[in-house]
Order: sequence, then C-alpha cells, then structure tokens
Amino acid sequence: EAGVAQSPRYKIIEKRQSVAFWCNPISGHATLYWYQQILGQGPKLLIQFQNNGVVDDSQLPKDRFSAERLKGVDSTLKIQPAKLEDSAVYLCASSLIRGPNTGELFFGEGSRLTVL
Amino acid sequence: GQSLEQPSEVTAVEGAIVQINCTYQTSGFYGLSWYQQHDGGAPTFLSYNALDGLEETGRFSSFLSRSDSYGYLLLQELQMKDSASYFCAVSRGSSTLGRLYFGRGTQLTVWP
Repeated sequence: EAGVAQSPRYKIIEKRQSVAFWCNPISGHATLYWYQQILGQGPKLLIQFQNNGVVDDSQLPKDRFSAERLKGVDSTLKIQPAKLEDSAVYLCASSLIRGPNTGELFFGEGSRLTVL
Repeated sequence: GQSLEQPSEVTAVEGAIVQINCTYQTSGFYGLSWYQQHDGGAPTFLSYNALDGLEETGRFSSFLSRSDSYGYLLLQELQMKDSASYFCAVSRGSSTLGRLYFGRGTQLTVWP
C-alpha cells in the first residue's frame, strides 16, 4: 500500500515570496490533515479536511495560508507571502475513518521550508 | 485549547527500560496516542489508549489514567534504533470526528 506522498521535499524561498505544497493521501482515506512542525517542537494542526470540506481551520493563519482539497483526494497548502517564522516542516497526514478515534494518522515525509 | 507536558529529553542504555510521561489538559478528551519520529522522518504511530489501563505492543506499552489526565509510554529492551523523538497526542472530539494535538516531544537517546 502506497503511503502519503508529499512534494516538494525541500524548498528555499525569500520572505514575501509564495510557495505551494502538494499532498496525495493514502487511497481511500477520507480525512486529510496539514500540520506545521517547527524545529524542536511537536506538529501543530493547521487544517483538517473531511473529503473536500474543511472541518477545522481554526489554527490556520488565513491572512497568508490557504489550503484546498479538490475532489476530496489531493490537497495543496499555499503560503503567500511567506515570513521568516514560516520556516518549518509541513506534514500532511491522512486517516481512513472520519476522525482519529483510533489515534492513528498516517504521515508523509513532509516538505521542509526555509524562508530567508 | 489544550496543553500537554512531557519531558524534553531522556537518556538510557541499550537493554534498559525507559518511561516517558505525559500529562494533559484539554476539553473533549477522547484518547491519547504516541508517535515516534526519527530525525528527518515522518511521525509514525505507536499506540493509542482511549480507556484506562495498559496497552502492550511488543516492546512498547502505553498507559492511560483519564482521572489523572496522565499517560506514559514504556519502552523495554531498548535498542539503538529507538533513539528518536516521542510525542504524546490527545484526540479531541467524538468517536466519529476528532482532531489530534501533539505535545512538544521527548528526545530519547539510547547509548551502547
């Protein structure tokens, strides 16, 4: 079974530029999450999708971050314009059922963003 | 909101047993998960407790006390490959729709 795919693995941009990350979840997984992990910290939930609808985006900085999940499969996370503090690993995760009520999410390898 | 507390670092030698504690404060608590993350890698699921008690999976066990808002991960027969960060995470919500919030992680170093 293929895992969660993310791209690009690494991205370096200057502040005020824009960047987009792509995620393809495990086939059949209805729930998709984007997490931000700053070095030395735990993953922070940014947004949760159920199929192609947003369930929770309360921690997403909506002035600069946006995310979509068209057709309930792939998802894209965009940052525009980027700030220095956005330097982090952006992790995509998916789960089979509607919520993590087994506590198990499947994570991709992440996209490491460096903002200069 | 929610808060989780776990030690930032733990060290042990090969073959030893180590316990990583986690205390949490949250509303709508549904369960406690544990994840392992090697440097540069993806977090991987280890265990989950929704009810009080001990869950055992091979060398790893996890415990939950809902009344104390406390849990721990027990790693036995430590191996060098167990050197990694370990995160506790709370599930909030319901049995059908929830969210997972992570602690800051515990860096485990296993010495030969």
